[in-house]
Amino acid sequence: DVQMTQSPSSLSASVGDTVTITCRASRNIHTYLTWLQQKPGKAPTLLIYGASTLKTGVPSRFSGSGSGTDFTLTIRSLQPEDVATYFCHQVYGTPSSFGGGTKVDIK
Amino acid sequence: QAQLMQSGGEVKKPGDSVRVSCKASGYSFVNSGMSWVRQAPGEGLEWMAWINVYNGNTNYAQRLQGRVTVTSDTSTNTAYMELMSLRSDDTAVYYCVRETPDYFDPWGQGTLVIVSS
Repeated sequence: DVQMTQSPSSLSASVGDTVTITCRASRNIHTYLTWLQQKPGKAPTLLIYGASTLKTGVPSRFSGSGSGTDFTLTIRSLQPEDVATYFCHQVYGTPSSFGGGTKVDIK
Repeated sequence: QAQLMQSGGEVKKPGDSVRVSCKASGYSFVNSGMSWVRQAPGEGLEWMAWINVYNGNTNYAQRLQGRVTVTSDTSTNTAYMELMSLRSDDTAVYYCVRETPDYFDPWGQGTLVIVSS
């Protein structure tokens, strides 16, 4: 099974800051990596797929990069509505697996 | 647009079974896969099971094998997940989500299942 290791587990940043979350896969998953956003009390929603393709309607301050085993989610100019937990998710191997999540809040 | 609407929350006793339904709309249900993912309180996401709606093929998480069954009804565009022999650590929000080769989207709103004596 592919293990996904995400860091940090939580972070606090100011409005307008740039935030970076990393995710490492235990083996090569090419670009079969998505990022999910989960706001408190809500279901997860898809932000990015194919490691770097923004889902239609997702603000352009979100971006993703990486391939193979190392991936990054960047949020430029953090906004109050970005307070959420972010999960990386590999869809290359079965079973599908998720990172542990990064809780982002505003200082 | 694609949407998934799940059944309401349940309270069960240890040893009981629970069945959660997930009605799809806005996309071709029969030509898609459906996965089930759960999230224990304050915890991360755990993939449970998948069904190919077209041919009924299924795949289950090893740790749940034998306790979980997923099915689908193409006449009503509804998927089902049944979990048997419930334990307290099965208390979680259960999500259905459309699975494509590249991503999981959309997600249902979630169904809270509480297992308590």
